[in-house]
Amino acid sequence: GQQVMQIPQYQHVQEGEDFTTYCNSSTTLSNIQWYKQRPGGHPVFLIQLVKSGEVKKQKRLTFQFGEAKKNSSLHITATQTTDVGTYFCAGKSGNTGKLIFGQGTTLQVKP
Amino acid sequence: NAGVTQTPKFQVLKTGQSMTLQCAQDMNHEYMSWYRQDPGMGLRLIHYSVGAGITDQGEVPNGYNVSRSTTEDFPLRLLSAAPSQTSVYFCASVRQGATEAFFGQGTRLTVV
Repeated sequence: GQQVMQIPQYQHVQEGEDFTTYCNSSTTLSNIQWYKQRPGGHPVFLIQLVKSGEVKKQKRLTFQFGEAKKNSSLHITATQTTDVGTYFCAGKSGNTGKLIFGQGTTLQVKP
Repeated sequence: NAGVTQTPKFQVLKTGQSMTLQCAQDMNHEYMSWYRQDPGMGLRLIHYSVGAGITDQGEVPNGYNVSRSTTEDFPLRLLSAAPSQTSVYFCASVRQGATEAFFGQGTRLTVV
């Protein structure tokens, strides 16, 4: 079945440093979504990428979808303590609303 | 709108006990799913539903049952709890044709 792998599992950075998490799928994806989960909270939708090679920005966050639509990345520029949490990518399977999540990357930011 | 509501928030069970985790959404979403979250494992899909009366298995369905008698409700039943089912459980819903999954606040389950 479809698998979505995400690296790294953990990342500790100093406030102001950049951060990147990578997501790879075993199959071609129709789209990819990114979610953020604050400590003790629930996942919250950030963005969806649909087109091959697509790049989207949300303030300091840059999301990319690979040309082959099998990988994606999330880059945060100049991290802040509010960026702390676990970031998940998720690939959609077919047209059922069924989402397959990666393992997540937990980001810690030292002030 | 309350969104997706899960109850209870916390539960401790003894091995072999059964219980039902409740999930209700008031957004009239067609798709609903149950995930479990374990350290280092991300969110793993247990069961999902594309509409009332229709359910299917996800990645880790063993030990769990679901039913979807109404659009709003999607309960998850643990038939005979085992320590391996200690986890945080999330329910999510998605509107047909849309993108964003809305998650409940989660149920933290401990099986002793």
